[in-house]
Amino acid sequence: EPEVTQTPSHQVTQMGQEVILRCVPISNHLYFYWYRQILGQKVEFLVSFYNNEISEKSEIFDDQFSVERPDGSNFTLKIRSTKLEDSAMYFCASSAPTSGSDPNYNEQFFGPGTRLTVL
Amino acid sequence: AQTVTQSQPEMSVQEAETVTLSCTYDTSENNYYLFWYKQPPSRQMILVIRQEAYKQQNATENRFSVNFQKAAKSFSLKISDSQLGDTAMYFCAFMQRNTDKLIFGTGTRLQVFP
Repeated sequence: EPEVTQTPSHQVTQMGQEVILRCVPISNHLYFYWYRQILGQKVEFLVSFYNNEISEKSEIFDDQFSVERPDGSNFTLKIRSTKLEDSAMYFCASSAPTSGSDPNYNEQFFGPGTRLTVL
Repeated sequence: AQTVTQSQPEMSVQEAETVTLSCTYDTSENNYYLFWYKQPPSRQMILVIRQEAYKQQNATENRFSVNFQKAAKSFSLKISDSQLGDTAMYFCAFMQRNTDKLIFGTGTRLQVFP
């Protein structure tokens, strides 16, 4: 069964460095998402992406964050200058245009996550 | 703003028994979806069950069923005949209709004992 994959599984970086987290969505999916979970806290929505542009973003997703679909298969999240508080698990998800009989609902399929540690 | 609350950080149940995980939410919207996601150790989150708010009938998926109380804004998950493979973190989530933004609770860690 197709799955969303993410690399790396664990990334350690120094504060102030740039990181790129990579995701390969399920191949026929058109909607892409990033979520994050700080240890012990809720999973939080960061951004959704469709047709090569951001469709929605949260207040967390500030100018330090960007997303890109560089080659038609990967979907990346870049953090330009990491802060200690960016340490979290980052989940990618993807969905197809419709799911089942309800055209208003797209089931999101999640990747296993990348654990980002900022030192 | 919508919020989702899971008040049980950890639960345990013996194999073959039934367990209920609680979830409450807050919204002023009338059209939305509610979900339970399962995250096994070191694995990705998978959707367990989904409920449309406009449907009065509680959703069921094999051993998993929900008790959806719209007026009370409550959405509990019942797992019947618990299996060792049900051991996981369970997240309750909310999505307003015509959006793609999932809003999650903090999760309940369920341990199934033999």
